[in-house]
Amino acid sequence: AQSVTQLDSQVPVFEEAPVELRCNYSSSVSVYLFWYVQYPNQGLQLLLKYLSGSTLVKGINGFEAEFNKSQTSFHLRKPSVHISDTAEYFCAVSDFTNAGKSTFGDGTTLTVKP
Amino acid sequence: EPEVTQTPSHQVTQMGQEVILRCVPISNHLYFYWYRQILGQKVEFLVSFYNNEISEKSEIFDDQFSVERPDGSNFTLKIRSTKLEDSAMYFCASRADRGQYNEQFFGPGTRLTVL
Repeated sequence: AQSVTQLDSQVPVFEEAPVELRCNYSSSVSVYLFWYVQYPNQGLQLLLKYLSGSTLVKGINGFEAEFNKSQTSFHLRKPSVHISDTAEYFCAVSDFTNAGKSTFGDGTTLTVKP
Repeated sequence: EPEVTQTPSHQVTQMGQEVILRCVPISNHLYFYWYRQILGQKVEFLVSFYNNEISEKSEIFDDQFSVERPDGSNFTLKIRSTKLEDSAMYFCASRADRGQYNEQFFGPGTRLTVL
């Protein structure tokens, strides 16, 4: 079984400040890791993914995340946020057993204030 | 770039009615999924489908639900006798295979409102 814990349910931050959204996972097998962003009343947009290789992955909109296997973490970071980054962010894990389903965290609401 | 499509984007139905949500996965993909997101909550796995049969289902996926791949392109989720608590966003996803370096691609979702 696998699980995902997003450690912060809400993160308020001022515009142009850096932000980190924290994600820890648990799994008995190797996993793929993902961050998705969801704007109000919209679908899931893939921000970035870790499948293999370099543990630092870069995604869209200036976001990046670092896979830390020893700490079973995959924290999302952005050095300078914009008002338009206000959204819900979901961390997810997927393995290639168990029919390859994805397990999502509870989500983190990022609110960027002017 | 190929993408997963879903229809309709929004479905409104009366409690007790049956609904069918439709998905067209990416054409060369082999694994298909349905997920549900109740408003304000996280995305939850419902069912996975491979080789014309269910490969895994969650406890949410009870006898009220069924999935089908009626032809070579569509993948449907049927909800019989809808309940108020079935109101949610339903996402379809597909995946090329279970090998390494393969990810799921999600559709835009169907918002189901049960009145």
